[in-house]
Amino acid sequence: DAAVTQKPRYLIKMKGQEAEMKCIPEKGHTAVFWYQQKQSKELKFLIYFQNQQPLDQIDMVKERFSAVCPSSSLCSLGIRTCEAEDSALYLCSSSQSAANSDYTFGSGTRLLVI
Amino acid sequence: GEQVEQRPPHLSVREGDSAVITCTYTDPNSYYFFWYKQEPGASLQLLMKVFSSTEINEGQGFTVLLNKKDKRLSLNLTAAHPGDSAAYFCAVINTGYQNFYFGKGTSLTVIP
Repeated sequence: DAAVTQKPRYLIKMKGQEAEMKCIPEKGHTAVFWYQQKQSKELKFLIYFQNQQPLDQIDMVKERFSAVCPSSSLCSLGIRTCEAEDSALYLCSSSQSAANSDYTFGSGTRLLVI
Repeated sequence: GEQVEQRPPHLSVREGDSAVITCTYTDPNSYYFFWYKQEPGASLQLLMKVFSSTEINEGQGFTVLLNKKDKRLSLNLTAAHPGDSAAYFCAVINTGYQNFYFGKGTSLTVIP
């Protein structure tokens, strides 16, 4: 089992609906990353948190997503209004803020927007 | 910013043959390098983490080579078997930023 936990594993939404997925980072990890992956192709960086604060994010996230880490043990990524193009695997990764840290990935949330 | 180029995008080899995937990067301050394996429908599984001071790293059934002079990282699967069929991604971290810079991935098929 991955040390990073993501829920739910699968999510089906209609266009226009809101979606939310959660990530529980590995214990002691202070950095959390979200990525979007379509059809097992390249990973697209979405947003990066350090100590629950967003330090970097792409424009798409600013415009259409909502991402927070209300505690050190929980982060969430939401899509305010789902579009078909949002169908993808959303991967969460966490790490310690240290040079020799491991970056471990959760199992992902697979979102299908119909 | 860092640019990571991964080649080839697709690779097909016969069982027992070797398979080599290569990533080149641009930032000389890059200091940690990762290879991940992703099986169909699954998440990323860490194969190996390489520190910049180690040029040759042996894993189970594979070797990772780091050439800092040429800024090249390679994954060499020796005697590939069908279970190695998956997507492989390299990732790089530099001293200035903790984010990953991922390669675009290589889809490897091992033919029995």
